[in-house]
Amino acid sequence: EPEVTQTPSHQVTQMGQEVILRCVPISNHLYFYWYRQILGQKVEFLVSFYNNEISEKSEIFDDQFSVERPDGSNFTLKIRSTKLEDSAMYFCASKGDGDYEQYFGPGTRLTVT
Amino acid sequence: AQSVTQPDIHITVSEGASLELRCNYSYGATPYLFWYVQSPGQGLQLLLKYFSGDTLVQGIKGFEAEFKRSQSSFNLRKPSVHWSDAAEYFCAVGAGYGGATNKLIFGTGTLLAVQP
Repeated sequence: EPEVTQTPSHQVTQMGQEVILRCVPISNHLYFYWYRQILGQKVEFLVSFYNNEISEKSEIFDDQFSVERPDGSNFTLKIRSTKLEDSAMYFCASKGDGDYEQYFGPGTRLTVT
Repeated sequence: AQSVTQPDIHITVSEGASLELRCNYSYGATPYLFWYVQSPGQGLQLLLKYFSGDTLVQGIKGFEAEFKRSQSSFNLRKPSVHWSDAAEYFCAVGAGYGGATNKLIFGTGTLLAVQP
C-alpha cells in the first residue's frame, strides 16, 4: 500500500541553525501539508501546498518557514533559523485529487538545543 | 471559527469493556470528520471518516463513530476494547479555503489506557 515517508526520523540541531525536513508524498497525490505536534499538545496545521504554491498557512508559519517541491517526488519544510520552541514532531501529509482524507507520514522529531 | 473539543483528556477502561470517546465540533457547514489514532512514537493512522450519508460509520480495528448534527458530535465507540487499543485518539474536522479538507483542525486528543 502506498505511504507517505519522511526523513530523517529524528533531527537534532542547535538554535539558529537551518533545518530541512523531507517528505515523499504518495506518488499520484496533488495536495501536500505540514503539521506539527509539540510534545503533549495537539496536532496543529502549518501549511497546505497545491499546484506549486501555498494555498493556506497558519499563524505559526511565519517568515522563518518555507516549503518547496523541488522535484516530482519530494516535499520539504525548511526552518531558516531554528528556535527552541520549534522543537516538535513534524508530520507531512498528502491527499489525492477528489479525495477527502489526508494520509500522514510517520513524522520527524525535531529537537532544537 | 472551526474548532474541535475532546472533553476527556485521559480515559482508562478494562480490557473487554466498551469504549466511547467524545468529540464535539464547531463548523458552519456540513463537516468532514475524522478520527485518527496515534500509538507512542508513531504517526497518525486514520480510523474512520464521515463525509455524508449514513451517520453511523465503520472504521478499522472494530471502531465505529456516529455523527449527530443536532449535538455537533462525532463520538468514537468500540464494543470491546483490546489491550492493543491503548493509544492517543484525535478527532479532527476538515476545513480551510479552497476545499473542505484543505486543512485539518484537531482536538487535543484523548489518551486511552487499557487495564488488564
